[in-house]
Amino acid sequence: DGGITQSPKYLFRKEGQNVTLSCEQNLNHDAMYWYRQDPGQGLRLIYYSQIVNDFQKGDIAEGYSVSREKKESFPLTVTSAQKNPTAFYLCASTLRWRNTEAFFGQGTRLTVV
Amino acid sequence: EDKVVQSPLSLVVHEGDTVTLNCSYEVTNFRSLLWYKQEKKAPTFLFMLTSSGIEKKSGRLSSILDKKELFSILNITATQTGDSAIYLCAVQGGQGAQKLVFGQGTRLTINP
Repeated sequence: DGGITQSPKYLFRKEGQNVTLSCEQNLNHDAMYWYRQDPGQGLRLIYYSQIVNDFQKGDIAEGYSVSREKKESFPLTVTSAQKNPTAFYLCASTLRWRNTEAFFGQGTRLTVV
Repeated sequence: EDKVVQSPLSLVVHEGDTVTLNCSYEVTNFRSLLWYKQEKKAPTFLFMLTSSGIEKKSGRLSSILDKKELFSILNITATQTGDSAIYLCAVQGGQGAQKLVFGQGTRLTINP
């Protein structure tokens, strides 16, 4: 079955550590996205990528980094520079050349301890 | 700056009521507007709108887009407690027409 897989589902991090969240899709989608969601809030765009080896900052990119070395994969690194990283992180993907809905992974809940 | 604004942010109604959720946007290179329902984790897709004035309908839910006035509404009739969720509006466009920007969401609570 095609879909988006995010891992891990839950992640605990000590302050000052970098962590990487995984997002893999087998939908052959071109564009991939990372969002942050705080309790009771909407989704805020961190980074997005339209094609391999290219990505753009979203509205809240500070303290985060990404890479897009393969079409299927778009990992997100939460660096120690991110002041308040505790949140729910969602990865999504869409086709580039057709209007379709965005597909989502099940999310990663990151907690800084 | 590309922006999507939803209203109200929160809404509490009784079962059986009809609700209207609003979404306005300012996005360059508009491509589509999407509505999602989020209950626990991943949002679930409701509608995609690309053309003005054409209503999309699914059971008790319906939605319409006005590209001249840059807004969309989501209607839910005869609400049920299972409709309680966060409703998210997103617009695809921006640079390369691939940026997907979400609004703040509307938290809808249906009381029995």
